[in-house]
Amino acid sequence: KQEVTQIPAALSVPEGENLVLNCSFTDSAIYNLQWFRQDPGKGLTSLLLIQSSQREQTSGRLNASLDKSSGRSTLYIAASQPGDSATYLCAVRDDYKLSFGAGTTVTVRA
Amino acid sequence: ETGVTQSPTHLIKTRGQQVTLRCSSQSGHNTVSWYQQALGQGPQFIFQYYREEENGRGNFPPRFSGLQFPNYSSELNVNALELDDSALYLCASSLHRGPNTEAFFGQGTRLTVV
Repeated sequence: KQEVTQIPAALSVPEGENLVLNCSFTDSAIYNLQWFRQDPGKGLTSLLLIQSSQREQTSGRLNASLDKSSGRSTLYIAASQPGDSATYLCAVRDDYKLSFGAGTTVTVRA
Repeated sequence: ETGVTQSPTHLIKTRGQQVTLRCSSQSGHNTVSWYQQALGQGPQFIFQYYREEENGRGNFPPRFSGLQFPNYSSELNVNALELDDSALYLCASSLHRGPNTEAFFGQGTRLTVV
């Protein structure tokens, strides 16, 4: 059974600092990995999708890396802003379903 | 292009009742998946529908059932509600059921069972 872990569970940083969020998974037989953002009580917004054959993916201030063999992914958010405050979830796809971590809750202080 | 929409946004039900949640998939998407997210946890996979048939199921009892319609919209039905069913229910649609696809989520339905 796939287990996905995200560390740390919570993070508080001053505005402008770079964010590093970690995700690890136990079964490396994945097809892709997605990073999502979730605002309190809301749905999930897809941030980045990395296919299993890729090493990284970038979108604006966001960069995600994937090391499938070691079961790790990292999401980097450059020059954080208060609007980046949210919970960030990673999810790995094995065939038809996504397996999620519990998320990292980020607070960016102005 | 419209995204994934879910209704209702909030719902309060009594233990033992039945509930139906609805989801309209993103335009052109033929695959719909449902997830349950308890407070403080990551979403858990309930099941997936592809072209009106169940394509996979997570570790949920049979009182959780679903439907997909010819227009690819979907329903999640939960019978004999229990207090532990209180959660955010998320619907996700994908362009196809292949393993390399990207999932797009709706805003969720918050179900409270009292």
